[in-house]
Amino acid sequence: KAGVTQTPRYLIKTRGQQVTLSCSPISGHRSVSWYQQTPGQGLQFLFEYFSETQRNKGNFPGRFSGRQFSNSRSEMNVSTLELGDSALYLCASSLSLNVGTYEQYFGPGTRLTVT
Amino acid sequence: AQSVTQLGSHVSVSEGALVLLRCNYSSSVPPYLFWYVQYPNQGLQLLLKYTSAATLVKGINGFEAEFKKSETSFHLTKPSAHMSDAAEYFCAVSGLANTGNQFYFGTGTSLTVIP
Repeated sequence: KAGVTQTPRYLIKTRGQQVTLSCSPISGHRSVSWYQQTPGQGLQFLFEYFSETQRNKGNFPGRFSGRQFSNSRSEMNVSTLELGDSALYLCASSLSLNVGTYEQYFGPGTRLTVT
Repeated sequence: AQSVTQLGSHVSVSEGALVLLRCNYSSSVPPYLFWYVQYPNQGLQLLLKYTSAATLVKGINGFEAEFKKSETSFHLTKPSAHMSDAAEYFCAVSGLANTGNQFYFGTGTSLTVIP
């Protein structure tokens, strides 16, 4: 079974621009979560989508948004990029049939650099 | 409130020595607990998980962890460290009250293995 895939793997953007990252979960997984990882803040939860609905949201500004499609693929968008948005963005998928009992499987991440 | 605490952001062990990485959780109800490993420039890989079955959980690569309710701990151990174990390790918890499928990650412990 193919793992979680994320595209692109690396991205360089300029302040003020916007960016869209894509995540394809493991086949059959309906839950997709997004995380931001930085050396200073560690792993921070952005949001989780389940069956095209945002089920949980972390403490990030409204510039960060996401969506999930009917095939469970998910995208996250960051508008008006700031230097502090430079990070590794990780996507994780899960069966999530029973809340909390299923592990999350992570993709390799997208490394975003904002200049 | 901090849900997961990892004691020691950096741990160094000699090759062949015992590996002990500490994790404590804060929850009145035993949650679901996980250990993940992250190698440089990669996503997180599941090592093992506790979901209220056996308190001693065996994972991949010779790692195991013991759930101790009285100590609210879930420490990760490996009897003999290999050079390939050098990585970042994250403890995570899910199944907390009113949090849906949200995972909470510790700040991570960087393991160095000295030859």
